[in-house]
Amino acid sequence: NAGVTQTPKFRILKIGQSMTLQCAQDMNHNYMYWYRQDPGMGLKLIYYSVGAGITDKGEVPNGYNVSRSTTEDFPLRLELAAPSQTSVYFCASRVPGGSTDTQYFGPGTRLTVL
Amino acid sequence: GENVEQHPSTLSVQEGDSAVIKCTYSDSASNYFPWYKQELGKRPQLIIDIRSNVGEKKDQRIAVTLNKTAKHFSLHITETQPEDSAVYFCAASTGYGKLTFGQGTILTVHP
Repeated sequence: NAGVTQTPKFRILKIGQSMTLQCAQDMNHNYMYWYRQDPGMGLKLIYYSVGAGITDKGEVPNGYNVSRSTTEDFPLRLELAAPSQTSVYFCASRVPGGSTDTQYFGPGTRLTVL
Repeated sequence: GENVEQHPSTLSVQEGDSAVIKCTYSDSASNYFPWYKQELGKRPQLIIDIRSNVGEKKDQRIAVTLNKTAKHFSLHITETQPEDSAVYFCAASTGYGKLTFGQGTILTVHP
């Protein structure tokens, strides 16, 4: 298993541009999450999904959108990028109801908005 | 929503000493408390976790304690080694596994 994969690894955007951060997992996990991590800070939840077709907002959803058409993929869309969205974005997945609540994190996407 | 406070923000110890990092949470419904280690430029890695029905858990040199009444939990690392140097994050989980993270502790272990 590849686990949780994210693309791209790095991206520089200009203010006002849009992009989609890709996240995929091959562990058949129902639950998936998007977090952002600003420099020197902990992670903050942007959006999460409990299964295909079901998504909900987290702590910091403004400026982002998500979709979940399949169990494997959970893309994050940035519309009209702003400097405040400069951050490292981590995707994670989890199996609910198992013996552990472990979330498996992807390697992250480092985004800079100039 | 949940709020997690973590202290200290930086911690410097000598190799072989113990290190303790403390966190408090606000939502009494939180039921799962993981600790992550993050090295520079890497993803968070789970090092230990504890559920709300357990008071203490140990894994070799690492232990976590939970006081539900006081709403605080702590990470204990014994016999620290230089490779323990990293940023450590606590987190608390409520519904659907959503994690609220603390602000992080930069641990430096001096040889």
